[in-house]
Amino acid sequence: EADIYQTPRYLVIGTGKKITLECSQTMGHDKMYWYQQDPGMELHLIHYSYGVNSTEKGDLSSESTVSRIRTEHFPLTLESARPSHTSQYLCASSEYITGVLSGEQYFGPGTRLTVT
Amino acid sequence: KQEVTQIPAALSVPEGENLVLNCSFTDSAIYNLQWFRQDPGKGLTSLLLIQSSQREQTSGRLNASLDKSSGRSTLYIAASQPGDSATYLCAVGNGGSQGNLIFGKGTKLSVKP
Repeated sequence: EADIYQTPRYLVIGTGKKITLECSQTMGHDKMYWYQQDPGMELHLIHYSYGVNSTEKGDLSSESTVSRIRTEHFPLTLESARPSHTSQYLCASSEYITGVLSGEQYFGPGTRLTVT
Repeated sequence: KQEVTQIPAALSVPEGENLVLNCSFTDSAIYNLQWFRQDPGKGLTSLLLIQSSQREQTSGRLNASLDKSSGRSTLYIAASQPGDSATYLCAVGNGGSQGNLIFGKGTKLSVKP
């Protein structure tokens, strides 16, 4: 069954640690996204990618970085975690047709990150 | 800059009631609009996608309408059930950002048995 996966689901980590949040999809989608969501607040796009070797910054500035070496995999990395990074991180994917539009977005279950 | 507003922020209804959730957006140059459901601590589940050329979409007890000229969309839920309790999010595919979604803050729905 085609799906989108995120690991870990929950992460509690100390300040200064390097972390990588994993996201994989089996739908063959070219476009992938990372969103950040604080409790009770709307989702904000922090990174997206049109395909392999493509990465773009989203509407919300973030200290995180992303990479896209394989179509199905879009990991997010924080080099030095801080308490201000505490949030929920959601990964999504969609079809993308060059010069046209992004299709329906499908979301993973999210990673809830707490930095102490 | 596109802004998406959802009213009301919270809604509590008895089981069986039909209800309408509202979404408004400031820039009518959208490519599509998507309604999602989010359960506490979970990811988003896509409910309906309306392309800019469409007026409405239906799936089971859900019906979403789109009026681009007035910058509005509504999500109609028929015969609500306790299992419908969740936060409902509206997101517009923005014309100025390659169709990336701009989200509203959501409407938290509680359906009482």
